[in-house]
Amino acid sequence: ILNVEQSPQSLHVQEGDSTNFTCSFPSSNFYALHWYRWETAKSPEALFVMTLNGDEKKKGRISATLNTKEGYSYLYIKGSQPEDSATYLCASESYSGAGSYQLTFGKGTKLSVIP
Amino acid sequence: ETGVTQTPRHLVMGMTNKKSLKCEQHLGHNAMYWYKQSAKKPLELMFVYNFKEQTENNSVPSRFSPECPNSSHLFLHLHTLQPEDSALYLCASSQEGAFGLAEAFFGQGTRLTVV
Repeated sequence: ILNVEQSPQSLHVQEGDSTNFTCSFPSSNFYALHWYRWETAKSPEALFVMTLNGDEKKKGRISATLNTKEGYSYLYIKGSQPEDSATYLCASESYSGAGSYQLTFGKGTKLSVIP
Repeated sequence: ETGVTQTPRHLVMGMTNKKSLKCEQHLGHNAMYWYKQSAKKPLELMFVYNFKEQTENNSVPSRFSPECPNSSHLFLHLHTLQPEDSALYLCASSQEGAFGLAEAFFGQGTRLTVV
């Protein structure tokens, strides 16, 4: 059973602050690491899918890095804005052996940005 | 709008009722999923359908019965549920290739309450 851990569980920051969260995952049977943003009353929305050790991806003020050898990924938000308030989920993708890939999610980091 | 539509958004049912959740995607994806989110738990994968064939059943009780009549539609039939089955049920779709998954697209979920 894969365990994907995210920290912190929740975070409050002031508008304009930069912040980062951590996702740790087992290195074995690893295919990719997904990050999703989940705003209240909406659907989870994909941010990044990363596969290679050392991958770095960026979308606007949000970026992510991946270390597959030690099994962790960081998500960074630069200059947080109130609209960044959401729960950020990471998921480790693995091959099930039954002909399909599947995602194992962490519990998420809930970010609140205070205006 | 993610391209994945779930109905109903809210459902209250008694333990002796039979109901169905519906999911529809028109993104041309070949894989569809049911996830369950209970309070303070991560998203838990329930079922995977790949090219309309069920490839995963993650030890889900038989009172949950999935159906995938075509690659665009996915149902979750519910019968004789228990109060502990109350949760948010999310449908997702993705394009699964030889080397893994592309990003998943989620519906907005059905908030199920079993009374």
